[in-house]
Amino acid sequence: LAKTTQPISMDSYEGQEVNITCSHNNIATNDYITWYQQFPSQGPRFIIQGYKTKVTNEVASLFIPADRKSSTLSLPRVSLSDTAVYYCLVGDAAGWGGKLIFGQGTELSVKP
Amino acid sequence: EAQVTQNPRYLITVTGKKLTVTCSQNMNHEYMSWYRQDPGLGLRQIYYSMNVEVTDKGDVPEGYKVSRKEKRNFPLILESPSPNQTSLYFCASSRGTSGRMQDEQFFGPGTRLTVL
Repeated sequence: LAKTTQPISMDSYEGQEVNITCSHNNIATNDYITWYQQFPSQGPRFIIQGYKTKVTNEVASLFIPADRKSSTLSLPRVSLSDTAVYYCLVGDAAGWGGKLIFGQGTELSVKP
Repeated sequence: EAQVTQNPRYLITVTGKKLTVTCSQNMNHEYMSWYRQDPGLGLRQIYYSMNVEVTDKGDVPEGYKVSRKEKRNFPLILESPSPNQTSLYFCASSRGTSGRMQDEQFFGPGTRLTVL
């Protein structure tokens, strides 16, 4: 499993775009990048997953450069309800083995 | 409704009194896992199970036991709880492996355990 590094915390204001970058220098060829969101006292929730370039869904976009050593979760026009912890995970199902490392995540605080 | 349920949601107990936290999923998922969450430490995996009768240790298995006798249930057992096991516990399940993608994990609502 590739180790990931994220900022511990970020602040933003309502209506702004927020970009959270995750570093994963040792990502393997078969690894995918997955992001989860966790609200206080709730279990994490899947947001988005990608392998390369750009992935977009109704919640967020995920940008992955060609070298795949980092990825950026982009949240457009955040609101107060986007205040949560965001986790970046890197792994490959084929060689997965079941062990997952969530790490500390990035605590995003959105202010009015 | 597809979901992962945990019981109890809150539990206060005393040191050494055996307890079990149940976890059940109704999505016919192959994979199930337990995590604990502590301030400043994020989510740490305790045990996981890739299928019935197959379990393995995560990062912090000491003091815990699990069993996977049937696909839908994955109870977490604390044989002799200690205060350092006071934590918020989450159970999760996923479809398992699908090609080369990491499957989405579905988490339960959490169990807040206090060991006095």
